[in-house]
Amino acid sequence: GESVGLHLPTLSVQEGDNSIINCAYSNSASDYFIWYKQESGKGPQFIIDIRSNMDKRQGQRVTVLLNKTVKHLSLQIAATQPGDSAVYFCADLTSGTYKYIFGTGTRLKVLA
Amino acid sequence: DTEVTQTPKHLVMGMTNKKSLKCEQHMGHRAMYWYKQKAKKPPELMFVYSYEKLSINESVPSRFSPECPNSSLLNLHLHALQPEDSALYLCASSQVSSGGSRDTQYFGPGTRLTVL
Repeated sequence: GESVGLHLPTLSVQEGDNSIINCAYSNSASDYFIWYKQESGKGPQFIIDIRSNMDKRQGQRVTVLLNKTVKHLSLQIAATQPGDSAVYFCADLTSGTYKYIFGTGTRLKVLA
Repeated sequence: DTEVTQTPKHLVMGMTNKKSLKCEQHMGHRAMYWYKQKAKKPPELMFVYSYEKLSINESVPSRFSPECPNSSLLNLHLHALQPEDSALYLCASSQVSSGGSRDTQYFGPGTRLTVL
């Protein structure tokens, strides 16, 4: 089946630096993408989303970039803080379906 | 309000027990989901309900039995589970449009299930 994968299973960044978490997806029909943050023992928390008619979307300290040509998604976190330490999942959805396809996850570690 | 609630937070059960997990949302979402998540893995889809009808069953063993009593509630009935079923069980909900999900899927905090 089709799946979403991540290039880096663990990312360590210095507090205050910017973080970039990458994700590759394989379904060319996917048209909606979400980034989730999951802290230990908690459910995934929505961070930011983007539709396929956009290539960039910004939130508070976070930016999602979408490159449909190479089927790549990235999450940029500005001025990374200790509270950003978590596992980050990307997920994609094809309109008309209910199956969100999740990536394997990247653990972000923020070093003091 | 984007809250999905789940009870209980933790559950320990023996292999002969019968228990239920509960999920509730008041966002007016008409799609509700059950996921299973093992440690260090992404959530795995189990079931999807759309307008209170079962839309997707991802070949889940019959010892897991979902139920959607109304548009706000989703249950997962458990019977004769195995130790390998121990996991975090997540409920989620989303809006529905054009026969599928639309927009963000919101997750609950999960129920940590341990089967002895």
